[in-house]
Amino acid sequence: EVQLVESGGGLVQPGGSLRLSCATSGFTFSAYWMNWVRQTPGKGLEWVANIKHDGTEKYYLDSVKGRFTISRDNTENSVYLQMNSLRADDTAVYYCAKDSAWNSAWPHYFDNWGQGTLVTVSS
Amino acid sequence: DIQMTQSPSTLSASIGDRVTITCRASQSISNWLAWYQQKPGKAPNLLIYKASTLESGVPSRFSGSGFGTEFTLTISSLQPGDFATYYCQQYSDYPRTFGQGTKVETK
Repeated sequence: EVQLVESGGGLVQPGGSLRLSCATSGFTFSAYWMNWVRQTPGKGLEWVANIKHDGTEKYYLDSVKGRFTISRDNTENSVYLQMNSLRADDTAVYYCAKDSAWNSAWPHYFDNWGQGTLVTVSS
Repeated sequence: DIQMTQSPSTLSASIGDRVTITCRASQSISNWLAWYQQKPGKAPNLLIYKASTLESGVPSRFSGSGFGTEFTLTISSLQPGDFATYYCQQYSDYPRTFGQGTKVETK
């Protein structure tokens, strides 16, 4: 059974940093792109970033470029999101999502999601 | 960015009703479209990919169609567990974008 478990969310002041982690099991982690997707009541679902199975390609939403960094550890079956210079509009539930395509050069849709971790940016 | 627009935003229906949700893309996305169901407090759950392919384990009352810029999700006979919010999502280009959601509620 595929499992994705996020951690690391919490309350942080504007300008602060947080590192989200997503521990996975039940699939060959090193063969899949991985994603972070966030959700707010106001903006709905918003894709944030993804990383290729071997870590050689990373893509970001424009509004987080230069502030967020996605990374992965294929020995730990985990993906991370380092979030710096946090702003109030980064407040959201952050989901880790597994891509559907095995060993693909181009990512597809999200076939498994974690339960999410809440990030609140407020003074 | 490719904008995804769903309609309606809210849909009131009864058990047994046929329900149709529309998703329009601001430019052609071929058939690179997925549909997700989300219940309160839970993560989204994949229903359909490549516009019309049913994900394994999803009931056959769910179906998808469309190509290019216009897509539909149909529930042939609404069941109690289908009251939820539905989202379309394109994976043709970056950034990946979602529709704003359609909430299916009890009439």
